[in-house]
Amino acid sequence: DAKTTQPPSMDCAEGRAANLPCNHSTISGNEYVYWYRQIHSQGPQYIIHGLKNNETNEMASLIITEDRKSSTLILPHATLRDTAVYYCIVRVDRGYQKVTFGTGTKLQVIP
Amino acid sequence: SAVISQKPSRDICQRGTSLTIQCQVDSQVTMMFWYRQQPGQSLTLIATANQGSEATYESGFVIDKFPISRPNLTFSTLTVSNMSPEDSSIYLCSVEEGMVLTEAFFGQGTRLTVV
Repeated sequence: DAKTTQPPSMDCAEGRAANLPCNHSTISGNEYVYWYRQIHSQGPQYIIHGLKNNETNEMASLIITEDRKSSTLILPHATLRDTAVYYCIVRVDRGYQKVTFGTGTKLQVIP
Repeated sequence: SAVISQKPSRDICQRGTSLTIQCQVDSQVTMMFWYRQQPGQSLTLIATANQGSEATYESGFVIDKFPISRPNLTFSTLTVSNMSPEDSSIYLCSVEEGMVLTEAFFGQGTRLTVV
């Protein structure tokens, strides 16, 4: 069973911030929150990850709540190319542990 | 970052036949994974393939149906045997470098249609 729950779909206007939520209430102390996205007909692509502090890179920002039971991926200025399915995954950072993909959120960026 | 090439990119096959999907990586990696993505669904792990050992299959997947080879650190194959229309899916190869999830990379997938 997936360790995360996400809304099945969201719309966002082009140029606006897209905020994608994820619940991971059973996350363990040594598990990180990862975000991947899958653009149509491609393999999943890594976006960002974090343990408990907020993180930012050139693609997105990740906000993790203090209790670590939920997080939000923020795409600050969504473009049409950001239309994809976004997967929130929890897993340890190193060492083998099976990756379980949940159902993800299908983000549609609207012109 | 690892570059993964999958062949074929797509195929249409007759039921009862088998198809072998190839996954080639441009660097040596310890762990390779095979996923299935049924139409409109998320990714489901089929098996983990480490070089020099038998593949480890997830619940619901068996070696007779999905035999896997891992002859070296840059190559693996997945065979979908005795296919039925229910096997129509995208099959993806994935690798992790150094068992670090931030270094997990996926191939473009093989889109299989069984008629």
